[in-house]
Amino acid sequence: ETGVTQSPTHLIKTRGQQVTLRCSSQSGHNTVSWYQQALGQGPQFIFQYYREEENGRGNFPPRFSGLQFPNYSSELNVNALELDDSALYLCASSLNSGRTIYFGEGSWLTVV
Amino acid sequence: AQKVTQAQTEISVVEKEDVTLDCVYETRDTTYYLFWYKQPPSGELVFLIRRNSFDEQNEISGRYSWNFQKSTSSFNFTITASQVVDSAVYFCALSEAPGGYQKVTFGTGTKLQVIP
Repeated sequence: ETGVTQSPTHLIKTRGQQVTLRCSSQSGHNTVSWYQQALGQGPQFIFQYYREEENGRGNFPPRFSGLQFPNYSSELNVNALELDDSALYLCASSLNSGRTIYFGEGSWLTVV
Repeated sequence: AQKVTQAQTEISVVEKEDVTLDCVYETRDTTYYLFWYKQPPSGELVFLIRRNSFDEQNEISGRYSWNFQKSTSSFNFTITASQVVDSAVYFCALSEAPGGYQKVTFGTGTKLQVIP
């Protein structure tokens, strides 16, 4: 149990729709990052939020966006869903950058 | 650019055997962190160990041990006397801090099956 909780755990969306995934970080952790894990692959870094600002981004298009709230919880928004967006989305939190990151159980997204 | 290679895609061992999972990494940074995570079928990534680039001391935790060798850019993970509960996908990961944020690069994982 890492203290990082994500919702929903599973969801199915139609191509072209929008989705919002939510994450509550471990207590006291001010840094949240999101990862996409396609089937059979390792997680890929999407972006990181620190004190409500995005301070780093991986190779993902702008239709992937996020928010971090004053309580350090976070949202991942994906617009104009594509079939290839089907994956496990993992949220991770840490206390400042450079520390160990702890992952939630993820949200399984299926786009049909 | 940073890269992590886990050449072993799948490994099967019989319970109580020892098994080593290989990890080779590439980075231009002199300061970096290496991790191992375990991912059971439920999906959650379970943190196992974090090692910084200045600490080459090997570590043992119960049945788990890690061998960090900077000279060969390797960070291998050994499970001694494997158990069925060790069955999972194991990921090696590398973390740098470009521009102050932490980007973790994962390998493709090694699926370990421990047969009773």
